This record gives sequence, structure tokens and C-alpha cells, in this order.
Amino acid sequence: SQQGEEDPQALSIQEGENATMNCSYKTSINNLQWYRQNSGRGLVHLILIRSNEREKHSGRLRVTLDTSKKSSSLLITASRAADTASYFCATAARTSYDKVIFGPGTSLSVIP
Amino acid sequence: ETGVTQSPTHLIKTRGQQVTLRCSSQSGHNTVSWYQQALGQGPQFIFQYYREEENGRGNFPPRFSGLQFPNYSSELNVNALELDDSALYLCASSLVGDRGDGYTFGSGTRLTVV
Repeated sequence: SQQGEEDPQALSIQEGENATMNCSYKTSINNLQWYRQNSGRGLVHLILIRSNEREKHSGRLRVTLDTSKKSSSLLITASRAADTASYFCATAARTSYDKVIFGPGTSLSVIP
Repeated sequence: ETGVTQSPTHLIKTRGQQVTLRCSSQSGHNTVSWYQQALGQGPQFIFQYYREEENGRGNFPPRFSGLQFPNYSSELNVNALELDDSALYLCASSLVGDRGDGYTFGSGTRLTVV
């Protein structure tokens, strides 16, 4: 079974707007990762946040982690048409050495 | 050589046949994981190999098997193919003990079972 669940399943915004995607998970984790996938191709690692971190930034990306609520969010600021893709959160559990489990993903469409 | 390469990129097989998919890990990585991704879904964990031994397995039957070689390349073998095995198969490599960079994924093998 999948550990993470992204919300919403699909998101459509105008170019320049911010996009926020949420992820909830069920069990304790070592770290949580976000990936992007363009049109059925390989996944690209965006950012990793460890269980003892609360916020992390990378360029236009901002990730937060709330371990008490078992949730994370990915914010993409000033979105571009090129950001159109599916976004997945993935968790590495404390009891599974480095195994990473993915959620079903959020499909983001950025309209020019 | 950097990056993860998978071969072949596309494959069509008949139900009941066997298939072998290949993956070359990113240089310096010692762990390889395989995922199955059906259309419109998230990647499902098949298994992971570390130092040539299986180190974790998802909810897949024994007809899914794998190998990791001393150079950290890997194979995924699927016997007795079923129509539901049609999917994108992704290989990902990582370095155990250093999780700062996450996984590096290949572009996948698109398997169609007819």
C-alpha cells in the first residue's frame, strides 16, 4: 500500500500564480522527498526534507514538513508553463533502510 | 558516466513470455530500486538491491525477480507475463547512507503485454 497521499489529485493554474500541493503519510519517516515527472518519463528529484527539518527552499520551491500532522506541502512560486507535470511525494520510513514509497501524485497544469 | 540508463526503452511481449529489463546505475551509487508505474498512478515499489542482495520487497509475486551485479548495474526479470504487467518500469539508484540527493531515476522501460 502507498504511504503518501497527495492532494489535490489535479491542479490547474495560470502562469505566474503559486501552486501548492499537499502530502499526507501514515507512519514515522526518516525523510520525505518530492519528485516531478513529465509526461510518463523518468522522475526527477526536486527536494528532500529530513524528519528533523521543518522547512526547506530550493529556487522557486518551498517544502514544509509537519511530523506531528504527518503532512508536507510543496509550494511552487511564480509558476511557468514548463512546471506542467505530475508531482509525487515519497517517504523513506525509519524501519525500512532507504526504501522509498511514492504517493499517487498531483497533476499540475500551468496555463500560459 | 553519470545518470541512470535503462534498456530497452520500449518493449512488446506476449502474455506468458518472459522479459528482462536492464539498468545501469549512476556512478558512485550502490543501491538500485525498481518501480512499476501504471498509467496515471504513482510508482509502486517492486524491490531494492544493495551489495548484490535483495534489501526489501514490495507486494509483487515471485515471478518478479532481480539481480544486481558487482558494477551495481541491475536486471529486472518478469516470468509468465500477464496483461496487467503492462506499465512503465523505472529503475532508480542511490547511495546508502547519504540520502541528501534522493534517488536518480532512469527514463524507464515501457512494457506492453499483448
